[in-house]
Amino acid sequence: DAGVIQSPRHEVTEMGQEVTLRCKPISGHNSLFWYRQTMMRGLELLIYFNNNVPIDDSGMPEDRFSAKMPNASFSTLKIQPSEPRDSAVYFCASSFGPGSSGANVLTFGAGSRLTVL
Amino acid sequence: GNSVTQMEGPVTLSEEAFLTINCTYTATGYPSLFWYVQYPGEGLQLLLKATKADDKGSNKGFEATYRKETTSFHLEKGSVQVSDSAVYFCALSDPGGSYIPTFGRGTSLIVHP
Repeated sequence: DAGVIQSPRHEVTEMGQEVTLRCKPISGHNSLFWYRQTMMRGLELLIYFNNNVPIDDSGMPEDRFSAKMPNASFSTLKIQPSEPRDSAVYFCASSFGPGSSGANVLTFGAGSRLTVL
Repeated sequence: GNSVTQMEGPVTLSEEAFLTINCTYTATGYPSLFWYVQYPGEGLQLLLKATKADDKGSNKGFEATYRKETTSFHLEKGSVQVSDSAVYFCALSDPGGSYIPTFGRGTSLIVHP
């Protein structure tokens, strides 16, 4: 397996524009996580899906952020409109679902570095 | 709730020095404990794990022992290399609880030749 695939790796956009980040989890993994990493706040969990259903979105900062998982092999994180304070590295991670052997080991993608000017 | 506390960095060492990065945790159940490593420009990757008290996880010369009595999972390596320079994250996951992993803030390690 190629691991967790994220795109784009780098995105530079202007304030007010829509940003869409994409993630392909590892085949067979039932759980998917979106994290945001900044120097100030460290690693923050934004949202967690299990079997394509959002289970915990309490970390989503505000209504400007939305995440979808239309099928087991694809997820998006959208920011609309984007603001400079959204500048960060966004990571997608996947794992086997609860109750499975190895369920609590996460495999991370390489991240999407977002800069909002 | 669950929480993980790591020593603040950066930790700066010379090559071949002994490394300890402290990690303590608070959990309501019986968590599994992990160390992840993040190399520059990359995502986090699992370094080692332990699933029950007194277990020792080890990988690439790194070790950590699950100490229930002190609620700790300190990371150690006997002789660090320049290539070990990275950010290290301690984490826990409570299979009987919310299952969502809890990460520490991360500790940056810088190893000089």
